[in-house]
Amino acid sequence: GAVVSQHPSRVICKSGTSVKIECRSLDFQATTMFWYRQFPKKSLMLMATSNEGSKATYEQGVEKDKFLINHASLTLSTLTVTSAHPEDSSFYICSALFSGGYTFGSGTRLTVV
Amino acid sequence: EDQVTQSPEALRLQEGESSSLNCSYTVSGLRGLFWYRQDPGKGPEFLFTLYSAGEEKEKERLKATLTKKESFLHITAPKPEDSATYLCAVQVMSGTYKYIFGTGTRLKVLA
Repeated sequence: GAVVSQHPSRVICKSGTSVKIECRSLDFQATTMFWYRQFPKKSLMLMATSNEGSKATYEQGVEKDKFLINHASLTLSTLTVTSAHPEDSSFYICSALFSGGYTFGSGTRLTVV
Repeated sequence: EDQVTQSPEALRLQEGESSSLNCSYTVSGLRGLFWYRQDPGKGPEFLFTLYSAGEEKEKERLKATLTKKESFLHITAPKPEDSATYLCAVQVMSGTYKYIFGTGTRLKVLA
């Protein structure tokens, strides 16, 4: 139980375009989801907390206009990287809070060329 | 400032050579400490949750323990398939619940 599905697993996009990453809770309702970014051989850095039906809470230093988060339903949160640049290339991971703790998606490798 | 530090950064073990990974923390309002395993290109996979000092959890070759300042992940007689990055995270209450990850320990078990 408590599975989070994240798509796509890999995406390559051109600089200046936007990319949407989806995070779905498959067998539970997630009122709160989290988005992380991970650099090679580094730990997960929390970008924002996504609450269903309300605005996301962004961590200090994270541009909310660049990383748009939408949590329109209890099972879906999306992260849109707008006007992507090569420095946005990274591994993005979502997580959801359920009754037993936290569960993570399998991650999305974004490469901006 | 809340901080979570893991050591060593990387560890190479021979198959069967037991060892321990450390996660030390300096946080206020600790609500729980979590251990995860992460394989390359994958999201973290939950292993254990510890809530109070003295608590221990076991799963196959892994055993997690918790004190007031740190947690240990003991690996007994590891196998090559135990090779992964092990992450610890603490949940703190700071206005809202927050999750702070350590930097991880990259474990390589050689056959």
